[in-house]
Amino acid sequence: EVQLVQSGAEVKKPGESLRISCKGSGYRFTSNWISWVRQMPGKGLEWMGRIDPSDSYTHYSPSFQGHVTISVDKSISTAYLQWSSLEASDTAFYYCARIGYSYVFDPWGQGTLVTVSS
Amino acid sequence: QSALTQPPSASGSPGQSVTISCTGTSSDVGGYNYVSWYQQHPGKVPKVMIYEVSKRPSGVPDRFSGSKSGNTASLTVSGLQAEDEADYYCSSYAGSNNLYVIFGGGTKLTVL
Repeated sequence: EVQLVQSGAEVKKPGESLRISCKGSGYRFTSNWISWVRQMPGKGLEWMGRIDPSDSYTHYSPSFQGHVTISVDKSISTAYLQWSSLEASDTAFYYCARIGYSYVFDPWGQGTLVTVSS
Repeated sequence: QSALTQPPSASGSPGQSVTISCTGTSSDVGGYNYVSWYQQHPGKVPKVMIYEVSKRPSGVPDRFSGSKSGNTASLTVSGLQAEDEADYYCSSYAGSNNLYVIFGGGTKLTVL
Protein backbone atom coordinates (compact mmCIF):
# COMPACT_ATOMS: atom_id res chain seq x y z
CA GLU A 1 0.00 0.00 0.00
CA VAL A 2 1.31 3.41 -0.99
CA GLN A 3 1.41 5.53 2.13
CA LEU A 4 2.72 8.85 3.40
CA VAL A 5 3.09 9.15 7.16
CA GLN A 6 3.68 12.56 8.69
CA SER A 7 5.18 13.55 12.02
CA GLY A 8 2.98 14.53 14.93
CA ALA A 9 1.37 17.78 15.99
CA GLU A 10 3.60 20.62 17.13
CA VAL A 11 3.10 23.59 19.43
CA LYS A 12 5.66 26.35 19.03
CA LYS A 13 6.25 29.98 19.97
CA PRO A 14 6.69 32.80 17.46
CA GLY A 15 10.27 33.03 16.28
CA GLU A 16 11.04 29.37 16.92
CA SER A 17 12.20 27.01 14.21
CA LEU A 18 10.50 23.78 13.17
CA ARG A 19 10.89 20.87 10.81
CA ILE A 20 8.08 18.41 10.08
CA SER A 21 8.46 15.21 8.13
CA CYS A 22 6.66 12.99 5.64
CA LYS A 23 7.82 9.39 5.15
CA GLY A 24 6.84 7.47 2.07
CA SER A 25 6.40 3.72 1.81
CA GLY A 26 4.96 1.17 -0.56
CA TYR A 27 6.48 2.69 -3.69
CA ARG A 28 9.78 3.86 -5.16
CA PHE A 29 10.17 7.16 -3.33
CA THR A 30 12.35 8.78 -6.00
CA SER A 31 9.82 8.15 -8.77
CA ASN A 32 7.36 10.88 -7.80
CA TRP A 33 7.54 14.45 -6.62
CA ILE A 34 6.31 15.30 -3.13
CA SER A 35 4.27 18.43 -2.51
CA TRP A 36 3.32 20.31 0.64
CA VAL A 37 -0.13 21.86 1.05
CA ARG A 38 -1.29 24.25 3.76
CA GLN A 39 -4.80 24.41 5.17
CA MET A 40 -5.39 27.19 7.66
CA PRO A 41 -8.21 26.71 10.19
CA GLY A 42 -11.54 26.68 8.38
CA LYS A 43 -9.93 27.60 5.08
CA GLY A 44 -9.07 25.99 1.76
CA LEU A 45 -6.06 24.20 0.35
CA GLU A 46 -2.96 26.15 -0.69
CA TRP A 47 -0.10 24.64 -2.68
CA MET A 48 3.21 25.52 -1.06
CA GLY A 49 5.78 23.84 -3.22
CA ARG A 50 7.21 20.56 -4.39
CA ILE A 51 10.43 18.59 -4.41
CA ASP A 52 11.82 15.94 -6.69
CA PRO A 53 13.29 13.32 -4.34
CA SER A 54 15.62 12.02 -7.05
CA ASP A 55 17.66 15.24 -7.25
CA SER A 56 16.22 17.47 -4.48
CA TYR A 57 15.13 20.09 -7.02
CA THR A 58 12.50 22.31 -5.43
CA HIS A 59 9.91 24.76 -6.70
CA TYR A 60 7.95 27.04 -4.40
CA SER A 61 4.71 28.91 -4.72
CA PRO A 62 5.48 32.65 -4.77
CA SER A 63 3.31 32.93 -1.67
CA PHE A 64 5.67 30.73 0.33
CA GLN A 65 9.05 31.37 -1.34
CA GLY A 66 11.56 32.50 1.25
CA HIS A 67 9.42 31.59 4.24
CA VAL A 68 9.72 27.80 4.19
CA THR A 69 12.25 25.26 3.01
CA ILE A 70 11.40 21.91 1.48
CA SER A 71 14.05 19.21 1.57
CA VAL A 72 14.38 15.45 1.28
CA ASP A 73 16.50 12.56 2.49
CA LYS A 74 15.97 9.90 -0.12
CA SER A 75 17.98 7.35 1.84
CA ILE A 76 15.13 7.18 4.32
CA SER A 77 12.29 8.09 1.91
CA THR A 78 11.44 11.21 3.87
CA ALA A 79 10.55 14.74 2.83
CA TYR A 80 10.64 17.73 5.14
CA LEU A 81 9.05 21.12 5.52
CA GLN A 82 11.02 23.60 7.59
CA TRP A 83 10.62 27.06 9.07
CA SER A 84 13.48 29.10 10.55
CA SER A 85 11.23 31.60 12.30
CA LEU A 86 7.60 30.75 12.85
CA GLU A 87 4.81 33.31 12.95
CA ALA A 88 1.36 33.03 14.46
CA SER A 89 -0.05 33.04 10.93
CA ASP A 90 1.73 29.73 10.27
CA THR A 91 -0.84 27.99 12.45
CA ALA A 92 -2.41 25.43 10.14
CA PHE A 93 -2.63 21.84 9.07
CA TYR A 94 0.17 20.89 6.70
CA TYR A 95 -0.25 17.97 4.34
CA CYS A 96 2.29 16.23 2.17
CA ALA A 97 1.09 14.49 -0.98
CA ARG A 98 2.63 12.44 -3.75
CA ILE A 99 2.27 14.06 -7.15
CA GLY A 100 1.30 11.78 -10.00
CA TYR A 101 2.01 12.17 -13.70
CA SER A 102 -0.97 14.44 -14.30
CA TYR A 103 -0.32 16.60 -11.25
CA VAL A 104 -2.84 14.66 -9.21
CA PHE A 105 -2.16 14.58 -5.48
CA ASP A 106 -2.49 11.00 -4.30
CA PRO A 107 -2.08 9.78 -1.66
CA TRP A 108 -1.99 12.43 1.03
CA GLY A 109 -0.32 12.21 4.39
CA GLN A 110 -2.54 12.33 7.44
CA GLY A 111 -1.61 15.96 8.09
CA THR A 112 0.44 17.70 10.77
CA LEU A 113 -1.15 20.41 12.89
CA VAL A 114 1.26 23.23 13.65
CA THR A 115 0.15 25.68 16.32
CA VAL A 116 2.17 28.84 16.83
CA SER A 117 1.22 30.81 19.90
CA SER A 118 2.93 32.87 22.53
CA GLN B 1 -1.88 34.24 -9.15
CA SER B 2 -5.34 33.89 -7.58
CA ALA B 3 -7.04 30.69 -6.62
CA LEU B 4 -9.41 29.05 -9.06
CA THR B 5 -12.96 30.29 -8.57
CA GLN B 6 -15.51 27.92 -7.05
CA PRO B 7 -18.93 28.72 -5.60
CA PRO B 8 -18.71 28.72 -1.80
CA SER B 9 -21.67 26.41 -1.45
CA ALA B 10 -23.90 24.00 -3.35
CA SER B 11 -26.77 21.83 -2.26
CA GLY B 12 -29.18 19.18 -3.41
CA SER B 13 -31.63 16.64 -2.09
CA PRO B 14 -30.86 12.94 -1.96
CA GLY B 15 -31.09 11.40 -5.40
CA GLN B 16 -30.68 14.70 -7.21
CA SER B 17 -27.67 15.85 -9.23
CA VAL B 18 -25.50 18.84 -8.42
CA THR B 19 -22.72 20.45 -10.45
CA ILE B 20 -19.83 22.43 -8.99
CA SER B 21 -17.88 24.76 -11.26
CA CYS B 22 -14.22 25.69 -11.18
CA THR B 23 -13.19 28.70 -13.26
CA GLY B 24 -9.63 29.59 -14.09
CA THR B 25 -7.79 31.07 -17.04
CA SER B 26 -6.15 29.94 -20.24
CA SER B 27 -2.93 29.61 -18.22
CA ASP B 28 -4.30 26.86 -16.00
CA VAL B 29 -7.69 25.18 -16.44
CA GLY B 30 -8.05 26.19 -20.07
CA GLY B 31 -4.50 25.38 -21.01
CA TYR B 32 -4.10 21.84 -19.72
CA ASN B 33 -6.19 18.72 -19.19
CA TYR B 34 -4.75 18.35 -15.71
CA VAL B 35 -7.74 19.26 -13.57
CA SER B 36 -8.36 17.22 -10.43
CA TRP B 37 -11.15 17.25 -7.86
CA TYR B 38 -10.76 16.40 -4.17
CA GLN B 39 -13.33 15.56 -1.52
CA GLN B 40 -12.65 16.48 2.09
CA HIS B 41 -14.91 15.49 4.94
CA PRO B 42 -14.59 17.51 8.18
CA GLY B 43 -11.41 16.60 10.01
CA LYS B 44 -10.32 14.23 7.26
CA VAL B 45 -7.65 14.11 4.61
CA PRO B 46 -8.50 15.21 1.06
CA LYS B 47 -9.27 12.35 -1.34
CA VAL B 48 -8.98 12.50 -5.10
CA MET B 49 -12.29 11.93 -6.86
CA ILE B 50 -11.44 12.99 -10.43
CA TYR B 51 -8.15 13.52 -12.26
CA GLU B 52 -7.24 14.57 -15.80
CA VAL B 53 -10.58 16.39 -16.04
CA SER B 54 -12.81 13.32 -16.19
CA LYS B 55 -11.01 10.18 -15.04
CA ARG B 56 -12.10 8.39 -11.87
CA PRO B 57 -9.64 6.53 -9.64
CA SER B 58 -10.61 2.99 -8.80
CA GLY B 59 -13.03 2.90 -5.91
CA VAL B 60 -14.68 6.24 -6.67
CA PRO B 61 -18.38 5.75 -7.47
CA ASP B 62 -19.44 6.48 -11.05
CA ARG B 63 -21.91 8.98 -9.60
CA PHE B 64 -18.96 11.38 -9.73
CA SER B 65 -18.04 12.78 -13.12
CA GLY B 66 -15.92 15.62 -14.44
CA SER B 67 -15.83 17.77 -17.54
CA LYS B 68 -14.27 20.93 -18.90
CA SER B 69 -15.27 23.67 -21.31
CA GLY B 70 -12.84 26.45 -22.02
CA ASN B 71 -11.51 27.86 -18.76
CA THR B 72 -14.17 26.20 -16.60
CA ALA B 73 -14.11 22.69 -15.22
CA SER B 74 -17.08 21.03 -13.55
CA LEU B 75 -17.72 18.24 -11.10
CA THR B 76 -21.14 16.60 -11.22
CA VAL B 77 -22.43 14.38 -8.45
CA SER B 78 -25.44 12.35 -9.54
CA GLY B 79 -27.79 10.46 -7.28
CA LEU B 80 -26.73 12.48 -4.24
CA GLN B 81 -26.21 10.53 -1.04
CA ALA B 82 -25.81 11.75 2.50
CA GLU B 83 -22.14 10.73 2.55
CA ASP B 84 -21.42 13.08 -0.36
CA GLU B 85 -21.79 16.03 2.00
CA ALA B 86 -18.25 17.44 2.16
CA ASP B 87 -15.97 20.17 0.88
CA TYR B 88 -14.83 19.82 -2.71
CA TYR B 89 -11.71 21.42 -4.16
CA CYS B 90 -10.57 21.62 -7.74
CA SER B 91 -6.95 21.93 -8.75
CA SER B 92 -5.16 22.56 -12.01
CA TYR B 93 -1.65 22.44 -13.34
CA ALA B 94 -0.59 26.02 -14.04
CA GLY B 95 2.65 25.63 -15.92
CA SER B 96 6.23 25.27 -14.76
CA ASN B 97 7.24 28.91 -15.07
CA ASN B 98 5.47 30.16 -11.99
CA LEU B 99 2.94 28.17 -10.03
CA TYR B 100 2.89 24.48 -10.79
CA VAL B 101 -0.44 23.79 -9.15
CA ILE B 102 -3.31 26.02 -8.15
CA PHE B 103 -6.32 25.08 -6.03
CA GLY B 104 -9.84 26.38 -6.02
CA GLY B 105 -11.25 28.03 -2.93
CA GLY B 106 -13.49 25.07 -2.17
CA THR B 107 -17.22 24.38 -2.29
CA LYS B 108 -19.25 23.14 0.65
CA LEU B 109 -21.74 20.58 -0.67
CA THR B 110 -24.79 20.12 1.52
CA VAL B 111 -27.19 17.22 1.07
CA LEU B 112 -30.56 18.55 2.17
